[in-house]
Amino acid sequence: KNEVEQSPQNLTAQEGEFITINCSYSVGISALHWLQQHPGGGIVSLFMLSSGKKKHGRLIATINIQEKHSSLHITASHPRDSAVYICAVLGSQGNLIFGKGTKLSVKP
Amino acid sequence: NAGVTQTPKFQVLKTGQSMTLQCAQDMNHEYMSWYRQDPGMGLRLIHYSVGAGITDQGEVPNGYNVSRSTTEDFPLRLLSAAPSQTSVYFCAIKGSLSNTEAFFGQGTRLTVV
Repeated sequence: KNEVEQSPQNLTAQEGEFITINCSYSVGISALHWLQQHPGGGIVSLFMLSSGKKKHGRLIATINIQEKHSSLHITASHPRDSAVYICAVLGSQGNLIFGKGTKLSVKP
Repeated sequence: NAGVTQTPKFQVLKTGQSMTLQCAQDMNHEYMSWYRQDPGMGLRLIHYSVGAGITDQGEVPNGYNVSRSTTEDFPLRLLSAAPSQTSVYFCAIKGSLSNTEAFFGQGTRLTVV
Protein backbone atom coordinates (compact mmCIF):
# COMPACT_ATOMS: atom_id res chain seq x y z
CA LYS A 1 0.00 0.00 0.00
CA ASN A 2 1.36 3.42 -0.96
CA GLU A 3 2.05 5.76 1.94
CA VAL A 4 0.21 8.58 0.15
CA GLU A 5 -2.89 7.77 -1.86
CA GLN A 6 -4.76 10.22 -4.03
CA SER A 7 -8.20 9.85 -5.53
CA PRO A 8 -9.42 10.02 -8.13
CA GLN A 9 -6.49 9.42 -10.49
CA ASN A 10 -8.31 11.20 -13.31
CA LEU A 11 -11.16 13.66 -13.16
CA THR A 12 -13.12 15.32 -15.94
CA ALA A 13 -15.49 18.15 -15.06
CA GLN A 14 -17.61 20.72 -16.83
CA GLU A 15 -16.77 24.37 -16.35
CA GLY A 16 -18.42 25.70 -13.23
CA GLU A 17 -18.56 22.41 -11.35
CA PHE A 18 -17.35 21.98 -7.77
CA ILE A 19 -14.34 19.66 -7.64
CA THR A 20 -12.89 17.61 -4.81
CA ILE A 21 -9.55 15.80 -4.83
CA ASN A 22 -8.66 13.57 -1.90
CA CYS A 23 -5.36 12.63 -0.29
CA SER A 24 -4.96 9.95 2.38
CA TYR A 25 -1.66 9.12 4.02
CA SER A 26 -0.38 6.45 6.37
CA VAL A 27 2.78 8.14 7.67
CA GLY A 28 2.76 10.49 10.60
CA ILE A 29 3.21 14.06 9.46
CA SER A 30 3.55 17.60 10.66
CA ALA A 31 2.20 19.23 7.53
CA LEU A 32 0.87 18.43 4.09
CA HIS A 33 1.67 20.17 0.84
CA TRP A 34 -0.65 20.56 -2.17
CA LEU A 35 1.07 21.19 -5.49
CA GLN A 36 -0.09 21.98 -9.01
CA GLN A 37 1.55 20.97 -12.28
CA HIS A 38 0.28 22.28 -15.61
CA PRO A 39 0.90 20.18 -18.76
CA GLY A 40 4.55 20.41 -19.70
CA GLY A 41 5.10 22.81 -16.83
CA GLY A 42 6.84 23.05 -13.55
CA ILE A 43 5.48 22.27 -10.11
CA VAL A 44 4.15 25.11 -7.99
CA SER A 45 3.01 25.22 -4.41
CA LEU A 46 -0.68 25.76 -3.66
CA PHE A 47 -1.04 25.17 0.07
CA MET A 48 0.89 24.10 3.11
CA LEU A 49 -1.38 23.10 5.96
CA SER A 50 -1.06 21.32 9.28
CA SER A 51 -4.60 21.79 10.59
CA GLY A 52 -8.04 23.06 9.66
CA LYS A 53 -8.64 24.80 6.40
CA LYS A 54 -6.97 27.27 4.06
CA LYS A 55 -8.53 29.25 1.22
CA HIS A 56 -6.93 31.01 -1.72
CA GLY A 57 -9.31 32.38 -4.32
CA ARG A 58 -11.41 29.48 -5.60
CA LEU A 59 -9.17 26.87 -3.99
CA ILE A 60 -9.85 25.45 -0.54
CA ALA A 61 -7.73 22.87 1.25
CA THR A 62 -8.74 21.01 4.38
CA ILE A 63 -6.93 18.53 6.56
CA ASN A 64 -7.96 16.12 9.30
CA ILE A 65 -4.81 15.03 11.12
CA GLN A 66 -6.59 12.37 13.20
CA GLU A 67 -8.05 10.71 10.12
CA LYS A 68 -4.87 11.31 8.06
CA HIS A 69 -6.85 12.81 5.23
CA SER A 70 -6.79 16.02 3.23
CA SER A 71 -9.02 17.39 0.49
CA LEU A 72 -8.49 20.02 -2.16
CA HIS A 73 -11.64 21.71 -3.41
CA ILE A 74 -12.04 23.94 -6.45
CA THR A 75 -15.18 26.05 -6.65
CA ALA A 76 -16.59 27.31 -9.96
CA SER A 77 -14.00 25.33 -11.92
CA HIS A 78 -12.51 26.80 -15.09
CA PRO A 79 -10.58 25.24 -17.99
CA ARG A 80 -7.43 26.97 -16.75
CA ASP A 81 -7.68 24.78 -13.62
CA SER A 82 -6.82 21.79 -15.82
CA ALA A 83 -3.61 20.39 -14.35
CA VAL A 84 -2.21 17.59 -12.24
CA TYR A 85 -2.70 18.12 -8.52
CA ILE A 86 -0.23 16.42 -6.19
CA CYS A 87 -0.18 16.06 -2.42
CA ALA A 88 3.00 15.47 -0.45
CA VAL A 89 3.80 14.67 3.18
CA LEU A 90 7.02 14.48 5.17
CA GLY A 91 8.27 10.93 5.65
CA SER A 92 10.09 9.62 8.69
CA GLN A 93 13.49 10.18 7.06
CA GLY A 94 12.73 13.83 6.34
CA ASN A 95 12.17 13.34 2.64
CA LEU A 96 8.90 14.20 0.96
CA ILE A 97 6.57 11.40 -0.07
CA PHE A 98 4.32 12.25 -2.98
CA GLY A 99 0.98 10.98 -4.14
CA LYS A 100 0.80 9.91 -7.77
CA GLY A 101 -1.29 12.93 -8.65
CA THR A 102 -4.82 13.61 -9.85
CA LYS A 103 -5.16 14.70 -13.46
CA LEU A 104 -7.97 17.23 -13.73
CA SER A 105 -9.51 18.26 -17.03
CA VAL A 106 -12.15 20.98 -17.02
CA LYS A 107 -14.18 21.22 -20.22
CA PRO A 108 -15.70 24.54 -21.38
CA ASN B 1 9.68 28.84 -8.73
CA ALA B 2 11.90 31.81 -8.13
CA GLY B 3 15.03 30.81 -6.30
CA VAL B 4 15.58 27.41 -7.95
CA THR B 5 17.21 27.39 -11.38
CA GLN B 6 17.33 24.11 -13.22
CA THR B 7 19.00 23.59 -16.59
CA PRO B 8 18.64 22.45 -19.29
CA LYS B 9 14.89 22.35 -19.93
CA PHE B 10 15.13 19.73 -22.66
CA GLN B 11 17.86 17.25 -23.60
CA VAL B 12 18.21 14.33 -25.97
CA LEU B 13 21.04 11.87 -25.35
CA LYS B 14 22.27 8.79 -27.09
CA THR B 15 22.65 5.63 -25.05
CA GLY B 16 26.00 5.66 -23.29
CA GLN B 17 26.48 9.42 -23.34
CA SER B 18 27.02 11.35 -20.16
CA MET B 19 25.53 14.62 -19.02
CA THR B 20 25.00 16.80 -15.99
CA LEU B 21 21.73 18.39 -14.96
CA GLN B 22 22.31 21.60 -13.07
CA CYS B 23 20.38 22.87 -10.05
CA ALA B 24 21.19 26.16 -8.38
CA GLN B 25 19.38 27.96 -5.57
CA ASP B 26 19.66 31.40 -4.02
CA MET B 27 17.44 30.77 -0.99
CA ASN B 28 20.23 29.43 1.25
CA HIS B 29 18.23 26.25 1.90
CA GLU B 30 20.03 23.30 3.46
CA TYR B 31 18.11 20.55 1.73
CA MET B 32 18.35 19.89 -2.02
CA SER B 33 17.05 16.89 -3.88
CA TRP B 34 16.51 15.35 -7.28
CA TYR B 35 13.35 13.55 -8.39
CA ARG B 36 12.30 11.80 -11.51
CA GLN B 37 8.69 11.83 -12.66
CA ASP B 38 7.37 9.01 -14.79
CA PRO B 39 3.79 8.37 -15.97
CA GLY B 40 1.78 6.55 -13.33
CA MET B 41 4.69 6.57 -10.87
CA GLY B 42 4.60 10.01 -9.32
CA LEU B 43 7.75 11.72 -8.15
CA ARG B 44 10.51 9.41 -6.96
CA LEU B 45 13.55 10.53 -5.02
CA ILE B 46 16.93 9.91 -6.69
CA HIS B 47 19.44 11.59 -4.35
CA TYR B 48 19.33 14.28 -1.73
CA SER B 49 21.62 16.47 0.32
CA VAL B 50 21.14 18.07 3.72
CA GLY B 51 24.09 20.40 3.36
CA ALA B 52 27.37 21.06 1.60
CA GLY B 53 29.53 17.94 1.57
CA ILE B 54 26.64 15.62 2.51
CA THR B 55 24.69 13.50 0.04
CA ASP B 56 22.57 10.39 0.36
CA GLN B 57 20.65 8.00 -1.83
CA GLY B 58 16.93 8.10 -2.35
CA GLU B 59 14.54 5.53 -3.72
CA VAL B 60 16.00 5.19 -7.25
CA PRO B 61 19.72 6.16 -7.14
CA ASN B 62 21.18 3.66 -9.61
CA GLY B 63 22.77 5.26 -12.68
CA TYR B 64 23.03 8.70 -11.09
CA ASN B 65 25.74 10.54 -9.15
CA VAL B 66 25.54 13.75 -7.18
CA SER B 67 27.84 16.05 -5.27
CA ARG B 68 27.27 19.09 -3.06
CA SER B 69 30.40 21.21 -2.88
CA THR B 70 28.50 24.43 -2.15
CA THR B 71 25.19 25.34 -0.53
CA GLU B 72 23.93 26.76 -3.82
CA ASP B 73 24.57 23.95 -6.30
CA PHE B 74 23.49 20.32 -6.53
CA PRO B 75 24.30 18.81 -9.94
CA LEU B 76 22.96 15.42 -11.05
CA ARG B 77 25.24 13.37 -13.27
CA LEU B 78 24.31 10.58 -15.64
CA LEU B 79 27.57 8.79 -16.39
CA SER B 80 26.27 6.43 -19.08
CA ALA B 81 22.71 7.22 -20.12
CA ALA B 82 20.23 4.41 -20.68
CA PRO B 83 16.76 4.51 -22.28
CA SER B 84 15.29 3.69 -18.84
CA GLN B 85 16.47 7.11 -17.71
CA THR B 86 14.11 8.83 -20.11
CA SER B 87 12.02 10.89 -17.73
CA VAL B 88 11.26 14.35 -16.43
CA TYR B 89 13.67 15.42 -13.71
CA PHE B 90 12.96 17.95 -10.99
CA CYS B 91 15.26 19.59 -8.51
CA ALA B 92 13.56 20.54 -5.23
CA ILE B 93 14.79 22.40 -2.17
CA LYS B 94 13.56 22.76 1.41
CA GLY B 95 14.71 24.84 4.31
CA SER B 96 15.81 21.74 6.19
CA LEU B 97 15.11 18.03 6.54
CA SER B 98 12.22 18.74 8.90
CA ASN B 99 10.48 21.20 6.56
CA THR B 100 7.56 20.05 4.46
CA GLU B 101 7.32 23.02 2.09
CA ALA B 102 9.39 22.49 -1.03
CA PHE B 103 10.30 24.68 -3.99
CA PHE B 104 10.85 23.16 -7.39
CA GLY B 105 12.92 23.88 -10.45
CA GLN B 106 11.18 24.06 -13.83
CA GLY B 107 12.07 20.49 -14.75
CA THR B 108 14.26 18.82 -17.39
CA ARG B 109 12.66 16.60 -20.00
CA LEU B 110 15.33 14.03 -20.87
CA THR B 111 15.06 11.55 -23.72
CA VAL B 112 17.64 8.80 -24.13
CA VAL B 113 17.59 7.14 -27.54
